Amino acid sequence: EAGVAQSPRYKIIEKRQSVAFWCNPISGHATLYWYQQILGQGPKLLIQFQNNGVVDDSQLPKDRFSAERLKGVDSTLKIQPAKLEDSAVYLCASSLGWDSSYEQYFGPGTRLTVT
Amino acid sequence: DAKTTQPNSMESNEEEPVHLPCNHSTISGTDYIHWYRQLPSQGPEYVIHGLTSNVNNRMASLAIAEDRKSSTLILHRATLRDAAVYYCILTFSGGYNKLIFGAGTRLAVHP
Repeated sequence: EAGVAQSPRYKIIEKRQSVAFWCNPISGHATLYWYQQILGQGPKLLIQFQNNGVVDDSQLPKDRFSAERLKGVDSTLKIQPAKLEDSAVYLCASSLGWDSSYEQYFGPGTRLTVT
Repeated sequence: DAKTTQPNSMESNEEEPVHLPCNHSTISGTDYIHWYRQLPSQGPEYVIHGLTSNVNNRMASLAIAEDRKSSTLILHRATLRDAAVYYCILTFSGGYNKLIFGAGTRLAVHP
């Protein structure tokens, strides 16, 4: 079974530029998550989708971050404009369902460096 | 959200059992106990989860105290590949499976 795919794996941009990350979850997984992991910290949930609807985006900085999952399968996370403090690893995860009994499967992440 | 407390770091020798503790004194009756681990430069990896009863899978065992205020992740024979940060996380069973990661326990495994 293929895992969660993410691209690109690495990205370097200058502050005030925009960037987009792509995620393809495990086939059949209805729930998709985006996490931000700053160096030395645990991952922090940014947004959670159930199919193509948002169920939790309380931690997403909506003035600069946006995410979509139009067809309920793959998803993109965008930052515009980027700030230095956005340097982090962006992790995508998916699970079969939204209930807490389901385990989440994580992709390898995209390491973003903002200079 | 209920919080967990874990030691910052632990050490083990290869091929020995490892017991990773987690305290969650404010756990509610409907909170699941999840364990994830993160190897260097990788995304987190699911290890095991449970609600009330002890659980076993191919990776580890989860021992849950009778009052559910603490739990222990057991790696039966540590290997070098088990060196990682281990996170103990509670999720509300009626909620949307939101994982709140703390600092975790950094496990070092010595040859």
